[in-house]
Amino acid sequence: KAGVTQTPRYLIKTRGQQVTLSCSPISGHRSVSWYQQTPGQGLQFLFEYFSETQRNKGNFPGRFSGRQFSNSRSEMNVSTLELGDSALYLCASSLAGAVSGNTIYFGEGSWLTVV
Amino acid sequence: AQKVTQAQTEISVVEKEDVTLDCVYETRDTTYYLFWYKQPPSGELVFLIRRNSFDEQNEISGRYSWNFQKSTSSFNFTITASQVVDSAVYFCALSEAENAGNNRKLIWGLGTSLAVNP
Repeated sequence: KAGVTQTPRYLIKTRGQQVTLSCSPISGHRSVSWYQQTPGQGLQFLFEYFSETQRNKGNFPGRFSGRQFSNSRSEMNVSTLELGDSALYLCASSLAGAVSGNTIYFGEGSWLTVV
Repeated sequence: AQKVTQAQTEISVVEKEDVTLDCVYETRDTTYYLFWYKQPPSGELVFLIRRNSFDEQNEISGRYSWNFQKSTSSFNFTITASQVVDSAVYFCALSEAENAGNNRKLIWGLGTSLAVNP
């Protein structure tokens, strides 16, 4: 079956702009999590959605938001972009979330560069 | 607080050498899950293994093997006869079980960058 699909794969934005990233989870998976990965900070948890509800949230400012649709597809949005938002954004899907012991599967990520 | 430590930031070996990547974790939970993921340069995190806290059997999958020891809170990963294609960043992660309250998420180590040279 198809894996986790993230779009776009690469994008360049200017400071102050906003960006929306999309994630289509594996069919049948209801949990979608988002992570930010930077060389200095490693993998940082952004938020998790399950059945259209945000179930958990990391320590990121309110500029970072997300949502999940009824078909489990998810989007994350970053407003008022800053240079420090340049990172690889990874989406992960699982049946019910890693905290349930389920394995989470990652997409290839969206490489965001803010200039 | 939960924590995952991968003390080795970078490892460099020559092809065909065996290499062990260390992972030490901290948790107060009796039920938890441990994972290893591989991240090649392309960026995608590839699932390698999941182990629950009640299963201390070592696992072998081809050239990969995992040694889970609750007594030392370690879940180490060994690659036997390493190959250039094994070059990647490897992450260890810890997950709480369902009864851990509302603040539940996967806790990640900072990763070990493995370079296998020909």
